[in-house]
Amino acid sequence: ETGVTQSPTHLIKTRGQQVTLRCSSQSGHNTVSWYQQALGQGPQFIFQYYREEENGRGNFPPRFSGLQFPNYSSELNVNALELDDSALYLCASSRGAGAQETQYFGPGTRLLVL
Amino acid sequence: SQQGEEDPQALSIQEGENATMNCSYKTSINNLQWYRQNSGRGLVHLILIRSNEREKHSGRLRVTLDTSKKSSSLLITASRAADTASYFCATATAYNTDKLIFGTGTRLQVFP
Repeated sequence: ETGVTQSPTHLIKTRGQQVTLRCSSQSGHNTVSWYQQALGQGPQFIFQYYREEENGRGNFPPRFSGLQFPNYSSELNVNALELDDSALYLCASSRGAGAQETQYFGPGTRLLVL
Repeated sequence: SQQGEEDPQALSIQEGENATMNCSYKTSINNLQWYRQNSGRGLVHLILIRSNEREKHSGRLRVTLDTSKKSSSLLITASRAADTASYFCATATAYNTDKLIFGTGTRLQVFP
């Protein structure tokens, strides 16, 4: 157990809808990164938040947006859902910005878009 | 973009045997990390090795890093059925320091 929690565990949405996924970081960590993992693939970096500011973004369109709160928990919002957004969404927390330290992953949220 | 590639894509062994997985990458790195994933759930961190290190151990795990060949290997000794999982290498590059870039993983099956 890493101490990183995510909610919900599963979610079914229809194309065009909006979704919000939540992540609580491990105690003492101020950085949260979000990853998308399609079936049979490795996780792909969406973006990272460090002390409530976006600190890097992967190759994802603007309809993927995020937020980090003063307690360092985070939200991932996806607007105008597409079928290809169906995936496992993982968040990871770490002690500092970037990827220079170990990232501790939550159990993920599995999103299905119909 | 894909930075790391694991080899083999799938590996089946008997309990007690050793399992070796390899990872190759393309650009200079600051560190390389290995993760395990059981049945599409969250990733479990195994080992982080920095670019100035050549070998690290953790229990039955041994990781090597060869920066001249841009490759790393993960050795699991005396494997157990509970080691059955997908294993991913992830690199923190010198140019994109904000993110980990994952490979496609090796699926390990350990038969009792």
